[in-house]
Amino acid sequence: DAGVIQSPRHEVTEMGQEVTLRCKPISGHDYLFWYRQTMMRGLELLIYFNNNVPIDDSGMPEDRFSAKMPNASFSTLKIQPSEPRDSAVYFCASSPGLTYGYTFGSGTRLTVV
Amino acid sequence: AQKITQTQPGMFVQEKEAVTLDCTYDTSDQSYGLFWYKQPSSGEMIFLIYQGSYDEQNATEGRYSLNFQKARKSANLVISASQLGDSAMYFCAMRDGNYGQNFVFGPGTRLSVLP
Repeated sequence: DAGVIQSPRHEVTEMGQEVTLRCKPISGHDYLFWYRQTMMRGLELLIYFNNNVPIDDSGMPEDRFSAKMPNASFSTLKIQPSEPRDSAVYFCASSPGLTYGYTFGSGTRLTVV
Repeated sequence: AQKITQTQPGMFVQEKEAVTLDCTYDTSDQSYGLFWYKQPSSGEMIFLIYQGSYDEQNATEGRYSLNFQKARKSANLVISASQLGDSAMYFCAMRDGNYGQNFVFGPGTRLSVLP
């Protein structure tokens, strides 16, 4: 089992550019979560999916953020346009159910300059 | 209101000694779950241990144990025989909600193990 795979590991982009983060969950995990981690705010849940359907996106900071899960093995988090305050580590996690712990990916460190 | 409180921003422990990392939580649900995660300097989040609210026994996983005191709403992590590789951030987390849809993390405790 390769675990949750995120790409890229690091992303540096200029303000105003579109950024797309990618995630492949563990096969068979029905839940997928996107988290953002910053020093100031800690770990924040952005959105989560169940069986590819977005269930709760109340954590998405604003309309510049969007997430999709076109199939059970792939999800994207897009920021358009990006801003310096979006700089953070973005984690994807998956879980076989809501009563289980999450398996996290290695994260994507995003820097917007 | 904070749902998860970790009052120790940083902790030091001597190698081979035991250490307790504090976690208190706030929920009105009867059914909930408590988790601990480790985040080393490399950045990944590693699941350590889980305690369900109805579990009567404290959870244990190798050198990790969870001191669950339901009436006090505390779920402290105990690491026995600390190793240098235990140096990391440790996050307490809770899942509650009618169908477990709320999952929140505490602010974390940075543990440093001294040789």
